[in-house]
Amino acid sequence: GENVEQHPSTLSVQEGDSAVIKCTYSDSASNYFPWYKQELGKGPQLIIDIRSNVGEKKDQRIAVTLNKTAKHFSLHITETQPEDSAVYFCAARRGSFNNDMRFGAGTRLTVKP
Amino acid sequence: DSGVTQTPKHLITATGQRVTLRCSPRSGDLSVYWYQQSLDQGLQFLIQYYNGEERAKGNILERFSAQQFPDLHSELNLSSLELGDSALYFCASSPRTSGSSDTQYFGPGTRLTVL
Repeated sequence: GENVEQHPSTLSVQEGDSAVIKCTYSDSASNYFPWYKQELGKGPQLIIDIRSNVGEKKDQRIAVTLNKTAKHFSLHITETQPEDSAVYFCAARRGSFNNDMRFGAGTRLTVKP
Repeated sequence: DSGVTQTPKHLITATGQRVTLRCSPRSGDLSVYWYQQSLDQGLQFLIQYYNGEERAKGNILERFSAQQFPDLHSELNLSSLELGDSALYFCASSPRTSGSSDTQYFGPGTRLTVL
């Protein structure tokens, strides 16, 4: 089955710097790659997603890139702010069924003011 | 706020006991998913219901069961609890069971502690 690996497990950056989180997946049939942000005491919240027919997607300070050949995708956060501090999860889905989603182990991002 | 509600927020119980976790999906969403999040396992898919019927099973133990009611709320039943069942349990909902445009919306979770 699909296996999603996420690195790093923890990341600390200074406010204003950029943060990059990387994920690799094993199943070449995966075609949908969402990123979730989980703040303390809350459930994961979708922040951005990308489909396999697109190489890059951007939404304000957040961007995701996908390299299908290498089977990896990355989350880029620019101009980080303290409120970006949270745990970020990547996921990969095969086909079109949400029950076939596999999640990475998460990255704890800390943005120091 | 995702629109998905879960109760209770916290649950503390003893080994061997049985508990029920409740989830109300977003208004109009027919599909409900249950996930377990533990420190060493990450987010694991347990089971999915769609409009009252079970659609898919993931890594769900036989001691666990779930159902979705006519009003679309769902309950996850955990029995013969073990220490290792201590985790966060999340419910998520989406409009359909599949679809390239469907997004899952997660509830705030129930933290289960088994002593």
